[in-house]
Amino acid sequence: AQTVTQSQPEMSVQEAETVTLSCTYDTSENNYYLFWYKQPPSRQMILVIRQEAYKQQNATENRFSVNFQKAAKSFSLKISDSQLGDTAMYFCASGGSQGNLIFGKGTKLSVKP
Amino acid sequence: NAGVMQNPRHLVRRRGQEARLRCSPMKGHSHVYWYRQLPEEGLKFMVYLQKENIIDESGMPKERFSAEFPKEGPSILRIQQVVRGDSAAYFCASSQDYLSTDTQYFGPGTRLTVL
Repeated sequence: AQTVTQSQPEMSVQEAETVTLSCTYDTSENNYYLFWYKQPPSRQMILVIRQEAYKQQNATENRFSVNFQKAAKSFSLKISDSQLGDTAMYFCASGGSQGNLIFGKGTKLSVKP
Repeated sequence: NAGVMQNPRHLVRRRGQEARLRCSPMKGHSHVYWYRQLPEEGLKFMVYLQKENIIDESGMPKERFSAEFPKEGPSILRIQQVVRGDSAAYFCASSQDYLSTDTQYFGPGTRLTVL
């Protein structure tokens, strides 16, 4: 069975600074994908970034990047130059051969002006 | 290119009534997933459907809950005889292919409140 753990229920960061959200996972599959989704107050689930497990290079999307440590089963999200609009719940998720995603419980990020 | 559509956005039902939640996947997507989010929790998988077929319903309660994705029209998640514990946000996601490689795109969710 796959599990995803987010150990930080809440975090805060000052505007323009950098913050890192932690995620660890467990899976018995060889081919899997990892995702970070953002859920702002509107409750819409928005894909932030995804990482293919077979790729060694960490994924990046503008101000968002991941630190993927396959051996440690760690998948952290770094947000650079934080903006007020980054305030949201952030969910880490893994996808395997079953098709469905397994989500962590989320980290509530507050960006302060 | 419209995203995943869900309606209604908010649904209020009294205990014992039926709730019907609709999901129209993104254009070109034939795979639909339903997830439930309880307050202060992450999303939990319920059911995965492809056109006219249920592929995986391992996360869906065996009683009162059913799902379909007909050849024509949206996918429907149906909850019969709702109870207060069914109050949650229900999200639909769609993907182009079933592979774990394929990104799932989410709709805005339906917030169900059972009085």
